[in-house]
Amino acid sequence: EAGVVQSPRYKIIEKKQPVAFWCNPISGHNTLYWYRQNLGQGPELLIRYENEEAVDDSQLPKDRFSAERLKGVDSTLKIQPAELGDSAVYLCASSNRDRGFKNIQYFGAGTRLSVL
Amino acid sequence: AQKITQTQPGMFVQEKEAVTLDCTYDTSDPSYGLFWYKQPSSGEMIFLIYQGSYDQQNATEGRYSLNFQKARKSANLVISASQLGDSAMYFCAMRETYSSNTGKLIFGQGTTLQVKP
Repeated sequence: EAGVVQSPRYKIIEKKQPVAFWCNPISGHNTLYWYRQNLGQGPELLIRYENEEAVDDSQLPKDRFSAERLKGVDSTLKIQPAELGDSAVYLCASSNRDRGFKNIQYFGAGTRLSVL
Repeated sequence: AQKITQTQPGMFVQEKEAVTLDCTYDTSDPSYGLFWYKQPSSGEMIFLIYQGSYDQQNATEGRYSLNFQKARKSANLVISASQLGDSAMYFCAMRETYSSNTGKLIFGQGTTLQVKP
């Protein structure tokens, strides 16, 4: 079974430029998460989707960040315009809520963003 | 508020020895899940082991076991027979299951483990 796929793996941009990250979850997983991981810290949730609906976006900086999950499968996270403080690793995860309590989130390899 | 604390920024262990990585948590909900993930330098977060708050026995997965002490609110990861490939960052995480089994994970700061040959 293929894992969570993210692209690109690395992205370097200048501040004020736009950037987009793409995520393809594990087949059949209905829940998709975007986390941000700052250097030396654990990941923090940005947004969670149940199918195509964003059910938790309370930590998403909505003035510059946007996300979508059309058709309830792939997802795109966008930043426009990027700021220096957005430099981080952006991780996508997916899970199957039908697994009950033992619902495991599986992560992709992440996109490492550097804003210059 | 929910919180995960990992007090060991870095650990060293000799190859083939066992090592314990500490994790304490704080939550007011009676139902929750505890997870450990491994993050090698490549960046991917790899799921290792899960413990539910109502599980009677400590979880085990191969060389990984979880020392779950509910009264102390601790969920330490034990890696037996360390291998060079175990060198990585290890994260403890908690999900509050009371509200949803798809809720966000709260992560600790992580512990860097280095295995010496």
